[in-house]
Amino acid sequence: RKEVEQDPGPFNVPEGATVAFNCTYSNSASQSFFWYRQDCRKEPKLLMSVYSSGNEDGRFTAQLNRASQYISLLIRDSKLSDSATYLCVVNTNAGKSTFGDGTTLTVKP
Amino acid sequence: DAGITQSPRHKVTETGTPVTLRCHQTENHRYMYWYRQDPGHGLRLIHYSYGVKDTDKGEVSDGYSVSRSKTEDFLLTLESATSSQTSVYFCATKTGTNTEAFFGQGTRLTVV
Repeated sequence: RKEVEQDPGPFNVPEGATVAFNCTYSNSASQSFFWYRQDCRKEPKLLMSVYSSGNEDGRFTAQLNRASQYISLLIRDSKLSDSATYLCVVNTNAGKSTFGDGTTLTVKP
Repeated sequence: DAGITQSPRHKVTETGTPVTLRCHQTENHRYMYWYRQDPGHGLRLIHYSYGVKDTDKGEVSDGYSVSRSKTEDFLLTLESATSSQTSVYFCATKTGTNTEAFFGQGTRLTVV
């Protein structure tokens, strides 16, 4: 079983739609969590951190459920520019950072 | 953005030859990572370093070795390149165990 699992999608949604991605992790000792965005043939870039209390950044909301060992990302009012691959990342105290395989989102006019 | 430079950016090499990829950072970050990215597999950790001369294996370390003789440089060596090592390689750095990672622009390696 992979340490971090994501629904690969692809997700094809119209502009204005709300879309949610989930990611599960197997290591209960995992300490910190992030969502990254990767555009085609580019390096991944941080989208947002994920906190236990949940956090929001504009149209993006991230949540963490430690008991069930999953994190989620919600995108509201999707824009064409949101089309990308979204990667969840799980860190351990030993410094190891494990990425999910990514979920591809395409937002269509 | 952290100053992370990968070199070379593109390389074509023959099967059986050794190849070394370099990651150079100017931010004095303690942690450095090498990932490979292939279609359908996302980013897979090859090796990482938690300090000078301190390294550990990731999930796909076979056929790769690393060295970190100074804070700013993390080298990835393919001891004898194989076609299965054709991939895009990303270097990343972090200041601490629970901080965000910053990535280099990637190295596209083709083994023929």
